[in-house]
Amino acid sequence: GENVEQHPSTLSVQEGDSAVIKCTYSDSASNYFPWYKQELGKGPQLIIDIRSNVGEKKDQRIAVTLNKTAKHFSLHITETQPEDSAVYFCATNSGYSTLTFGKGTMLLVSP
Amino acid sequence: DGGITQSPKYLFRKEGQNVTLSCEQNLNHDAMYWYRQDPGQGLRLIYYSQIVNDFQKGDIAEGYSVSREKKESFPLTVTSAQKNPTAFYLCASSTARGNTGELFFGEGSRLTVL
Repeated sequence: GENVEQHPSTLSVQEGDSAVIKCTYSDSASNYFPWYKQELGKGPQLIIDIRSNVGEKKDQRIAVTLNKTAKHFSLHITETQPEDSAVYFCATNSGYSTLTFGKGTMLLVSP
Repeated sequence: DGGITQSPKYLFRKEGQNVTLSCEQNLNHDAMYWYRQDPGQGLRLIYYSQIVNDFQKGDIAEGYSVSREKKESFPLTVTSAQKNPTAFYLCASSTARGNTGELFFGEGSRLTVL
């Protein structure tokens, strides 16, 4: 099945810095790459996604880039704020009619 | 408000007891899913259902059972056969093409087996 590797597992930044989280995947047929944010004690929420026909997508302070040749995609958060502190998961589609998730990155933004 | 409701939020059970976690959605979604979350392990798929009266095993189905008798409901039973049931359980729903669209998650149920 699909294998999704996510790095780093934890990331600490100062408020205002940028944060980058990277994921690699194994299935060349994958064509959908979402990112989810999970706040403490809650379920994950979709924050941005990208499909394989584009290389980059932006939404205000967050962006996702995709390199299909190398099979990796990244989440970029600029001008980080304390409320960005959460666990972030990458995912991609696989043989099932659902998603395979990475193991998550705990982002801590210090004031 | 449309959304997914999981209950109970916290559940304690003795070893050897079966427990059932509830998941209800009013989003009119065809597909529903159960994930298990353990620290450092991400989200692992237990079962999913794309339509009423049909469901499929995910990666870690052993020791779990589900039913899908109504579109709105997808309860998960953690049986005594599950060797390590203590975990955070997340239910989700999506439109039929769940592998290319957004998953909507509930707020989870934390099960502790004593």
